[in-house]
Amino acid sequence: DAGVIQSPRHEVTEMGQEVTLRCKPISGHDYLFWYRQTMMRGLELLIYFNNNVPIDDSGMPEDRFSAKMPNASFSTLKIQPSEPRDSAVYFCASSLDRNQPQHFGDGTRLSIL
Amino acid sequence: AQSVTQLDSQVPVFEEAPVELRCNYSSSVSVYLFWYVQYPNQGLQLLLKYLSGSTLVKGINGFEAEFNKSQTSFHLRKPSVHISDTAEYFCAYTGGFKTIFGAGTRLFVKA
Repeated sequence: DAGVIQSPRHEVTEMGQEVTLRCKPISGHDYLFWYRQTMMRGLELLIYFNNNVPIDDSGMPEDRFSAKMPNASFSTLKIQPSEPRDSAVYFCASSLDRNQPQHFGDGTRLSIL
Repeated sequence: AQSVTQLDSQVPVFEEAPVELRCNYSSSVSVYLFWYVQYPNQGLQLLLKYLSGSTLVKGINGFEAEFNKSQTSFHLRKPSVHISDTAEYFCAYTGGFKTIFGAGTRLFVKA
């Protein structure tokens, strides 16, 4: 059974460019989460969806960040325009329901120059 | 506010020695507790979970944890560690609408 799939694994881009991160959750999982991990701030929840509907986006740092889930098998996290302080590892995770364990992808390592 | 405290940011230990990674949570509602492990350049993987039932939970790779409601703790233990256990370990709980993760404990196993 395939796990959570994220792409790209690495992204290096210049400040001001638009960045799109992609995630395919595990089939049948109703919850999808986006996290950001940095040395300074640890693991931060950005937003989560239930049945493709955004439930809590209070962790999204700024209006430059947006996330969508157009269907049950795909989600995107977009940063526009990107800034050097957005450099981090971004993880997508999915779960059967909110009290069950989350399954994480391998992350996207984002570097904004 | 709900929180998870991992009391040690780093734990160095010699190979084959026992280890305990400490975790305390603050919540007055029913909680579901988890330990995850993160190896370099990978996502978090579930080690074990407490949803209900026996307070002693066994997980993968020889790890176990004990849920203590009165002390609001969920410490992770392993009787004998290996070099391959070197990783970062995260305690987490779900008690409401969000899963709260601790800051992580870096376990470093020395030969």
